[in-house]
Amino acid sequence: AQSVTQLGSHVSVSEGALVLLRCNYSSSVPPYLFWYVQYPNQGLQLLLKYTTGATLVKGINGFEAEFKKSETSFHLTKPSAHMSDAAEYFCAVRSGSQGNLIFGKGTKLSVKP
Amino acid sequence: GAGVSQSPSNKVTEKGKDVELRCDPISGHTALYWYRQSLGQGLEFLIYFQGNSAPDKSGLPSDRFSAERTGGSVSTLTIQRTQQEDSAVYLCASSLTPGGGNEQFFGPGTRLTVL
Repeated sequence: AQSVTQLGSHVSVSEGALVLLRCNYSSSVPPYLFWYVQYPNQGLQLLLKYTTGATLVKGINGFEAEFKKSETSFHLTKPSAHMSDAAEYFCAVRSGSQGNLIFGKGTKLSVKP
Repeated sequence: GAGVSQSPSNKVTEKGKDVELRCDPISGHTALYWYRQSLGQGLEFLIYFQGNSAPDKSGLPSDRFSAERTGGSVSTLTIQRTQQEDSAVYLCASSLTPGGGNEQFFGPGTRLTVL
C-alpha cells in the first residue's frame, strides 16, 4: 500500500528565504508523485509532478522537486519565498493504474515580510 | 475552458437529513474522483468513476454514502442521515484518463456543515 508523510504541519519562512517542504513516500512499485497547492477557500492546483525520466522536476511559480528513490523522498523547494506563496501544500502518490491519489496531511506555509 | 465545478459551494444541514452534492467535470474527462477534506483526517479518497466501468467505492466511509455518475459526465454524491462527523469539504476532481502521471483537476469544493 502507498502512503505519504509530510514532515512539519506548519513551516514559516521570511520573504526571500529558501522554502523547503519535505515529503517521503512509501510504495511497493515505482510511484508517480505530485505536489499540489491549496489557497484559502479554493481547490487544489497542481504545482508539479514526477512520472519518469529526469528526477529534478520544475513546476509553476518557481517551485521544483527532486525524486530520490534511495531516500524515498520528493521534497519541494523554492529558492526565494514570496508573500504570495503562503498556502497549504500537499504531496501525493499514485502507483501504476491506480485511480486515486494518496495524499499527505499537508504543510501550511507562512511567509513573513 | 471551464474547469471542474461543484454545487452548492456551502451546505448547512441538520443531523439526520440527507444531502446531495454535485460535480460537473471537465468536458471529455473520463475519470472522476471524490475526496473529503477534514481537519482531523486530511484529504481522503472516497470514490472513483472511470467511463462506464463499475466505480471504485473502496474509500466510502459507510453505507450512508453513495455516488452516481450519469452519462459519464455529472456526478452526485449523496450522504444519507448525515452525522456531525460528516462535516468537511467535499472535493471533486477529474482527469482525461485515469492513473499514471495524469493530472487530476480539482473543483473548489462543497463545504458541508452538519449541525
